[in-house]
Amino acid sequence: EVQLLESGGGLVQPGGSLRLSCAASGFTFSSYAMSWVRQAPGKGLEWVSAISGSGGSTYYADSVKGRFTISRDNSKNTLYLQMNSLRAEDTAVYYCAKDRGNMVRGHGMDVWGQGTTVTVSS
Amino acid sequence: QSALTQPPSASGSPGQSVTISCTGTSSDVGGYNYVSWYQQHPGKAPKLMIYEVSKRPSGVPDRFSGSKSGNTASLTVSGLQAEDEADYYCSSYAGSTSYVFGTGTKVTVL
Repeated sequence: EVQLLESGGGLVQPGGSLRLSCAASGFTFSSYAMSWVRQAPGKGLEWVSAISGSGGSTYYADSVKGRFTISRDNSKNTLYLQMNSLRAEDTAVYYCAKDRGNMVRGHGMDVWGQGTTVTVSS
Repeated sequence: QSALTQPPSASGSPGQSVTISCTGTSSDVGGYNYVSWYQQHPGKAPKLMIYEVSKRPSGVPDRFSGSKSGNTASLTVSGLQAEDEADYYCSSYAGSTSYVFGTGTKVTVL
């Protein structure tokens, strides 16, 4: 069964850091690009970051550029999101999602995790 | 990276059709045939319903169809069923900025 399982969410103070993980199973992880998508409470979906299958290409939304870093370990079938300088507006459920293609070319995200909650508050 | 524009709500009776629009620019919707649509039920993860404007993943009923004209994409749900009541989001490839999502539309089955 194709599955994504996020972890690492929690409560963090403004200015703090957090690292999210997403464990993949049931498919050849290195063959697919991956994304992080977040959803603030009561709000819509916001694409955050994406990475190609090899990890050689990374992309970020302007709202997180310079603060968040996406990476992947294909030997461990795991996707990461390092979040630094966190702000209240980063509070959201963070989903990892599998792309339909190897490169980030807009082919759509066909498998989603259940999400992990990040709360930034003092 | 402005969000794509969707109507906040849409509704229809069981068996009827509902169409949701998704308006962007020539830098996203109008520039690529890479529009996707996602369905999200409350408290659940999004589900891919349409990709590359009009293609359906396996398992998605053919009641769901997609199209695009210029900078506007559309999702049509025909033969509305109670389980179609959900939030729907469009998404488009936007070049170097990768993906941009729509503002979301809440579909109500009357």
